[in-house]
Amino acid sequence: QQQVKQSPQSLIVQKGGISIINCAYENTAFDYFPWYQQFPGKGPALLIAIRPDVSEKKEGRFTISFNKSAKQFSLHIMDSQPGDSATYFCAARDSNYQLIWGAGTKLIIKP
Amino acid sequence: SAVISQKPSRDICQRGTSLTIQCQVDSQVTMMFWYRQQPGQSLTLIATANQGSEATYESGFVIDKFPISRPNLTFSTLTVSNMSPEDSSIYLCSAEGDNQRDTQYFGPGTRLTVL
Repeated sequence: QQQVKQSPQSLIVQKGGISIINCAYENTAFDYFPWYQQFPGKGPALLIAIRPDVSEKKEGRFTISFNKSAKQFSLHIMDSQPGDSATYFCAARDSNYQLIWGAGTKLIIKP
Repeated sequence: SAVISQKPSRDICQRGTSLTIQCQVDSQVTMMFWYRQQPGQSLTLIATANQGSEATYESGFVIDKFPISRPNLTFSTLTVSNMSPEDSSIYLCSAEGDNQRDTQYFGPGTRLTVL
C-alpha cells in the first residue's frame, strides 16, 4: 500500500514534443504529490507538486494532472527541450511526512 | 525553499573505516532526512532526524552502522561506519520546506566509493 508505481522506465521524445510520465498509488492517506527532476551528479530538485483536492496544476511548460478516483497522477512536459533531459521521480507524502518514491523515468529529448 | 549544502561532495575510502557527512541548511527546519541512492536507482530513506530527539531509522538501517547527529535546527551529520564496498553509493540529505512542513528540498549529495 505504500508503493508508488512509475512508468515508463525510460522515454525518448523529439524536441518540441510532449513528454508524459505516469504514476499510480494505493494509499489514500497520501496528501501531497511532488515531482522531482534530477540531473547526473546532482540532488533531486523539486519541479512541481499538487495536493489531492486539485485536478490539475500548471507551471510554465510543466503540468500535473491528478485523478483522485483512479489514484493516478501524471507529469506532462510541453514543448520538450534537450535541457529537459534528466531523470524524473514522482513521490507521495505519507502521514509521517515521509516521501514514498517512484522508481524514476529517464527522459531523453532528441534535438 | 531551503538551500542545502553537503560536505564532502565525494570521497574514496578504505574498507573498515568510517566517514562523516555533514549537511547544512540555510534556515531552521524541524525535519531532516538522509537517503541513499544507487546510480540509476530511486531514493531509499535511511532515517529521519528531528532536532532534540533520536533519529528514526527505516527497516534495514541501524544506528550502529549509520549514526546520525542533529545538534540544532540547521545541521545534521550522517556517519557511515565500518564501511564495505556495498556502502558505495550517493548519500543525500534533505530538509522540509519552511512552509507548513511543505515538501523536501535536497542537498547535492555525497558520492562515496569504498575500496
